[in-house]
Amino acid sequence: QVQLQESGPGLVKPSQTLSLTCAVSGGSISSGGYYWSWLRQHPGKGLEWIGCIYYSGSPYYNPSLKSRGTISLDTSKNQLSLNLSSVTAADTAVYYCARRAGKVTAPFDYWGQGTLVTVSS
Amino acid sequence: DIQMTQSPSSLSASVGDRVTITCRASQNIISFLNWYHQKPGRAPKLLIYTASSLQSGVPSRFSGSGSGTDFTLTISSLQPEDFATYYCQQSYNFPYTFGQGTNLEIK
Repeated sequence: QVQLQESGPGLVKPSQTLSLTCAVSGGSISSGGYYWSWLRQHPGKGLEWIGCIYYSGSPYYNPSLKSRGTISLDTSKNQLSLNLSSVTAADTAVYYCARRAGKVTAPFDYWGQGTLVTVSS
Repeated sequence: DIQMTQSPSSLSASVGDRVTITCRASQNIISFLNWYHQKPGRAPKLLIYTASSLQSGVPSRFSGSGSGTDFTLTISSLQPEDFATYYCQQSYNFPYTFGQGTNLEIK
């Protein structure tokens, strides 16, 4: 059973960089066959896809982030990371990591429980 | 980006009712449409993928249909654990996009 667990600071100051990690257990991120994604949900709102990465490829990002996001994998720790630069209050959200099978058209079948990040001075 | 529009935005129903939620895509997404539900404080859970395939472990009272731009999620007989917010998501292309959600409440 694959499990994902997000972690990171719950509070980030405006203009700083938000950094989150997602620890994956029950499977290796470098075994192939899956893309690893970050998504977020603004308070009381719907879901927004941030981007995804395959262990041997380049990441894909949502253009709405305006090039502020960086997703990476650490295969030695079996985890993925998200850095989001120049944050504003609009980046306050619950951030989720999720797994998607290798096809572009596959759904997100496993999710972390989410971590709330508040951007405030 | 492909816009996903769900209706209704909220819905009140009783245990045992049959419920249908619709999702419309702003362009043809063939059958690359997924349904999730989410309970307060929890992550979304996959129910249906590629429009009509039931995710493993999901009760058979959930079903999905549609193709092209119009899709439906049907719950044949509502159970107490089904009261949640439902989202559709297109996986036709990047960036993936979700509907705004349908809040299913107990009548």
